[in-house]
Amino acid sequence: QVHLVESGGGVVQPGRSLRLSCEASGFTFSSFGMHWVRQAPGKGLEWVAVSWFDGRNRNYADSVKGRFTISRDTSKNTVHLQMNSLRVEDTAVYYCARDSGGGMYPGWFIFRGQGTLVTVSS
Amino acid sequence: EIVLTQSPGTLSLSPGERATLSCRASQDISDTFLAWYQQKPGQAPRLLIYGASSRAPGIPERFSGSGSGTDFTLTISRLEPEDFALYYCQQYRRSPLTFGQGTRLEIK
Repeated sequence: QVHLVESGGGVVQPGRSLRLSCEASGFTFSSFGMHWVRQAPGKGLEWVAVSWFDGRNRNYADSVKGRFTISRDTSKNTVHLQMNSLRVEDTAVYYCARDSGGGMYPGWFIFRGQGTLVTVSS
Repeated sequence: EIVLTQSPGTLSLSPGERATLSCRASQDISDTFLAWYQQKPGQAPRLLIYGASSRAPGIPERFSGSGSGTDFTLTISRLEPEDFALYYCQQYRRSPLTFGQGTRLEIK
């Protein structure tokens, strides 16, 4: 049973940084790609980033490229999202999601957490 | 970027009726690279359909997906009260992965 617990959200001023974490359990973490997907208040879903199963390769949405970094700690079954130079438009609930495969050819998402809210406001 | 357009924006139906939701892609994504999700208020999305027509584990048989190329459909054969929610399609044919803007299924 896939289990994902996101944490690290909060209120932050524009230009500042925040680090989100997602602890995974119930599956072989090192075999699957992991994503971050966000949802602005009252809006739809937006894919943010993916880390391949081995952590060596990553890919990002253009809207966050150069500002966000996804990483994973296989020893702790955890994926992180380091968010720098935050903007008001980054305000959203951030979900982590497991890929259907290794992430090299991204597939569909398995969501299991409640997400973590990031609010960027002065 | 592959743009997904869902229609209608809002669908008003009664329990027991049949719901048909549409998702149109801006490029051919074959008959494999499309998923559907259901989302209820305050909850994470739940995977319903992958590969355009395969039901995810635990999803009731009243949910079915079809389509290929650029036109896809999610059908709910007989609506149950718990089916009234937001529905999103997602393509994974090409990065960046993209979602449709959603269809709200509301009780008439």
